Amino acid sequence: GESVGLHLPTLSVQEGDNSIINCAYSNSASDYFIWYKQESGKGPQFIIDIRSNMDKRQGQRVTVLLNKTVKHLSLQIAATQPGDSAVYFCAENTGANSKLTFGKGITLSVRP
Amino acid sequence: DTGVSQDPRHKITKRGQNVTFRCDPISEHNRLYWYRQTLGQGPEFLTYFQNEAQLEKSRLLSDRFSAERPKGSFSTLEIQRTEQGDSAMYLCASSLVTPSTDGYTFGSGTRLTVV
Repeated sequence: GESVGLHLPTLSVQEGDNSIINCAYSNSASDYFIWYKQESGKGPQFIIDIRSNMDKRQGQRVTVLLNKTVKHLSLQIAATQPGDSAVYFCAENTGANSKLTFGKGITLSVRP
Repeated sequence: DTGVSQDPRHKITKRGQNVTFRCDPISEHNRLYWYRQTLGQGPEFLTYFQNEAQLEKSRLLSDRFSAERPKGSFSTLEIQRTEQGDSAMYLCASSLVTPSTDGYTFGSGTRLTVV
């Protein structure tokens, strides 16, 4: 698999490989994090979330890792499929107001 | 309930016209949010409601923008005297008071083009 920070716009992976998408968040007070997938012309689609009292959470083919020490979040996608091609955003939430602050997003492109 | 619904999906308007968008949230969700997304960027928060009360507005929400949620269910976002810079995707989301797993859901958005 490959990993890239959100400062790079595109991640290209071979179908079947693992993908790792990284995100650096800014607010040390953020306590809830979500990864979204967005396909062209659609709204963001929830993938997986994690609260700050956890380091790792697994879903179906996806894993989110949280490192609060360095304010880093990653999304791992196992056995990447063509249907995973989309733009991925991490979002952070702080406290009671529940608004989300999004990163700029990265495009995942899956090569057949 | 099939999720968050937004109407219309697309809107093309002439500069200076007023437009109104509608959002129907997930029925049991107390909170409703409006975001704006421009090409290549992540969504930016505009405002949110808890039930019918508008609790926060971003500085992005100029005086030409107004949002309402009169009965604590659906919401409308109106833009008066539209400008070309208003062209964007307007997203609505809803959640419980404390978002939990799967609890922060976005609609498909309304794409506004101001010509």
